[in-house]
Amino acid sequence: EPEVTQTPSHQVTQMGQEVILRCVPISNHLYFYWYRQILGQKVEFLVSFYNNEISEKSEIFDDQFSVERPDGSNFTLKIRSTKLEDSAMYFCASRGASGTYNEQFFGPGTRLTVL
Amino acid sequence: QKEVEQDPGPLSVPEGAIVSLNCTYSNSAFQYFMWYRQYSRKGPELLMYTYSSGNKEDGRFTAQVDKSSKYISLFIRDSQPSDSATYLCAMKPAGNYQLIWGAGTKLIIKP
Repeated sequence: EPEVTQTPSHQVTQMGQEVILRCVPISNHLYFYWYRQILGQKVEFLVSFYNNEISEKSEIFDDQFSVERPDGSNFTLKIRSTKLEDSAMYFCASRGASGTYNEQFFGPGTRLTVL
Repeated sequence: QKEVEQDPGPLSVPEGAIVSLNCTYSNSAFQYFMWYRQYSRKGPELLMYTYSSGNKEDGRFTAQVDKSSKYISLFIRDSQPSDSATYLCAMKPAGNYQLIWGAGTKLIIKP
């Protein structure tokens, strides 16, 4: 069964460093999303991406964040200068053209720890 | 008032019991209602979604939406230890891309 994959599973970085979180969405999907979940807190929407551009972003997704689909398979989230409060699980999700917005498939997440 | 309220639990029930999980919300514009299951250190997995009011059944799971009360429920029949997970509700208005999430209810099914 097709699934969304994410790498790395755990990333540890120093405050102020740049990190890139990688996602490989399901191959025929066209809509891509990033969410984060701080430990013990709600899942929070970060950004949606379609047709090589951002469709919508939340207030969390400030200038420190960027997304890219550098090739036909990867979807990345870059945090330019990490802060302690960026420590969280980051989930990538995707959905197909025929699927409704609700039918997003989530990856297993990347745990980001900022020291 | 938070947009979506969900009791974090934990909710502990014996195997075979009927489980009722609930969320309340304040935004009357919400039209799509989802239930996700999240196992420890895994991503959310879509269980069911409904549009507007009514019931939807899928195997042992039933999702119920009462828009007049701004209240949604997920029922699990014949609960199994493998159902032990955190259950997240999420919802959105029509035409808006963002999902608004509940905090999740941790469910424990005791063998």
